[in-house]
Amino acid sequence: NAGVTQTPKFQVLKTGQSMTLQCAQDMNHNSMYWYRQDPGMGLRLIYYSASEGTTDKGEVPNGYNVSRLNKREFSLRLESAAPSQTSVYFCASSTTGGAGNEQFFGPGTRLTVL
Amino acid sequence: AQTVTQSQPEMSVQEAETVTLSCTYDTSENNYYLFWYKQPPSRQMILVIRQEAYKQQNATENRFSVNFQKAAKSFSLKISDSQLGDTAMYFCAFMKPFGGSRLTFGEGTQLTVNP
Repeated sequence: NAGVTQTPKFQVLKTGQSMTLQCAQDMNHNSMYWYRQDPGMGLRLIYYSASEGTTDKGEVPNGYNVSRLNKREFSLRLESAAPSQTSVYFCASSTTGGAGNEQFFGPGTRLTVL
Repeated sequence: AQTVTQSQPEMSVQEAETVTLSCTYDTSENNYYLFWYKQPPSRQMILVIRQEAYKQQNATENRFSVNFQKAAKSFSLKISDSQLGDTAMYFCAFMKPFGGSRLTFGEGTQLTVNP
């Protein structure tokens, strides 16, 4: 049982390049989330998927797109990377059917955009 | 929109002593959930404790306990008998009971436990 996995762990991009961050969970969770973590700002929600087939914007969605490929996988895409997107990205998942459920986090991806 | 504020960017404590981390939040909701997450140097986010707003009793988990003051919108974390492994960034977080169970995080408090 690996929990939530993310690939890659580290990535360096040049401005304007594109890339996709991959996330998968093996806990049969319905909901999945993408956050970014910047110094002094905590974690901020980019996009989330309450259930398979649905996605919604979070607090900071500009410059990102997501795909809920199936129940296990939720990817985050940067179409044209900008230096402002330098951050640590976390994927998380949780059960639904009631609020207050713990979110389980992946190990994070450190992305640097030059 | 909800906001979560942690006014202590850094704190330190001696091993075996007690420390309290502060968190305040702003919401118009009556029912919600509050969390403390720990992020050690490994960067892994780990749930420490959870509180349901409609429960009057403060949550406890071994050496970790909270002081939940709903009227004051305050949610502090007390760590007793601090251990070196408690050194981490601690985040307070808020969740509404609907809308995809999204978390709103505070800025974090870096706690260092000194030997």
